[in-house]
Amino acid sequence: DTGVSQDPRHKITKRGQNVTFRCDPISEHNRLYWYRQTLGQGPEFLTYFQNEAQLEKSRLLSDRFSAERPKGSFSTLEIQRTEQGDSAMYLCASTTGETNTGELFFGEGSRLTVL
Amino acid sequence: AQSVTQLGSHVSVSEGALFLLRCNYSSSVPPYLFWYVQYPNQGLQLLLKYTSAATLVKGINGFEAEFKKSETSFHLTKPSAHMSDAAEYFCAVTHTGGFKTIFGAGTRLFVKA
Repeated sequence: DTGVSQDPRHKITKRGQNVTFRCDPISEHNRLYWYRQTLGQGPEFLTYFQNEAQLEKSRLLSDRFSAERPKGSFSTLEIQRTEQGDSAMYLCASTTGETNTGELFFGEGSRLTVL
Repeated sequence: AQSVTQLGSHVSVSEGALFLLRCNYSSSVPPYLFWYVQYPNQGLQLLLKYTSAATLVKGINGFEAEFKKSETSFHLTKPSAHMSDAAEYFCAVTHTGGFKTIFGAGTRLFVKA
């Protein structure tokens, strides 16, 4: 059984460039989450999907950010016109079940550095 | 809206000693509460969770947490620290009406030999 995988693990880009991160959840998991984590802080909720439907978005997710989960399996998080403040670890997590009492299974994250 | 406060961004403990990591939550509806651990360069892993059953929750590797509604707390304890416990610990809350999990800022645990 493979866990949640994220790609790339590290990305260095110049300000103004676009970047895309991919998350492959555990195969039977229907809910998928994106979080952002900066140094010394806990994960901040960005958005989550139930199958292919994006059900909630944080106001942290500005119009430069877009997330998709087109077939209810893998998900992508795109950041357009990156800014230095976007530098962070982007975490993906997945879970299953009809209730919200289950644990979130996290990937190892994609670290973004914007120069 | 729910929120989580972890008192103490850093805690230092001697190997073999008991330690307690503090978590207070705010939620207008009954919460579900979680403790996760993060080792360097790894994703978060669940230690234990409270989902309205027993208020004293036992997790992996000897960790425990007690849900105290009157104090809105869910502190994490372990009777004897090991060097391998050195990591960052996050308290998290999900309320019964939604699917969004909110995390605290984390507490980094240092274990001294």
